[in-house]
Amino acid sequence: DIQMTQSPSSLSASAGDRVTITCRASQSISSNLNWYQQKSGKAPYLLIYAASTLQSGVPSRFSGSGSGTAFTLTISSLQPEDFATYYCQQSYNTPWTFGQGTNVEIK
Amino acid sequence: EVQLVESGGGLVLPGRSLRLSCTASGFTFGDYAMTWFRQAPGKGLEWVGFIRSKTYGGTTENAASVEGRFTISRDDSKNIAYLQMSSLKTEDTALYYCTRVIIGVVWYFDLWGRGTLVTVSS
Repeated sequence: DIQMTQSPSSLSASAGDRVTITCRASQSISSNLNWYQQKSGKAPYLLIYAASTLQSGVPSRFSGSGSGTAFTLTISSLQPEDFATYYCQQSYNTPWTFGQGTNVEIK
Repeated sequence: EVQLVESGGGLVLPGRSLRLSCTASGFTFGDYAMTWFRQAPGKGLEWVGFIRSKTYGGTTENAASVEGRFTISRDDSKNIAYLQMSSLKTEDTALYYCTRVIIGVVWYFDLWGRGTLVTVSS
């Protein structure tokens, strides 16, 4: 199975801050990497697919980059509604696996 | 409205069975593969299994943790995907989500239901 490791596990930031979350795969997954946002008590919400393609309707302050084994999710200017947990997920092969999540909290 | 609605969750004894349903609306259900994920209380996301569309044979794949116990099926005439769970264990306790699969350059999951809670406990 492909292991996905996110860092940090949690972070505290203020509105307006630039936030970067890193995701590493245990083997190369090309660009088969997706990012989801999950707010408390809600289902995950697709932000980015294929490592860098913004899902329709997602604000442009979200961006993704990387390929192979190293990926990043960047929020250029954190907004109050962005406080949530973020997950990376590989769809290179089954079993599809997720990172452990990064909890973005209000500083 | 394009949506997925899961149902059928509840409290069940270890070793018993339960069937979850995922009802789709607002899109051509039969054109899509569907997948199930779960999330144990306070934990991360785990893939459970998926079913291809009939165009691609309607075949299924399951995670090793549920292989031989869980079965995914679909009824395209009713726009429903099912997750039949048997020999349930306490570690199967989770919120179960169904999602729509987009198969493009990469596979991704663009539409999620709200989930249905399964609690396995004596």
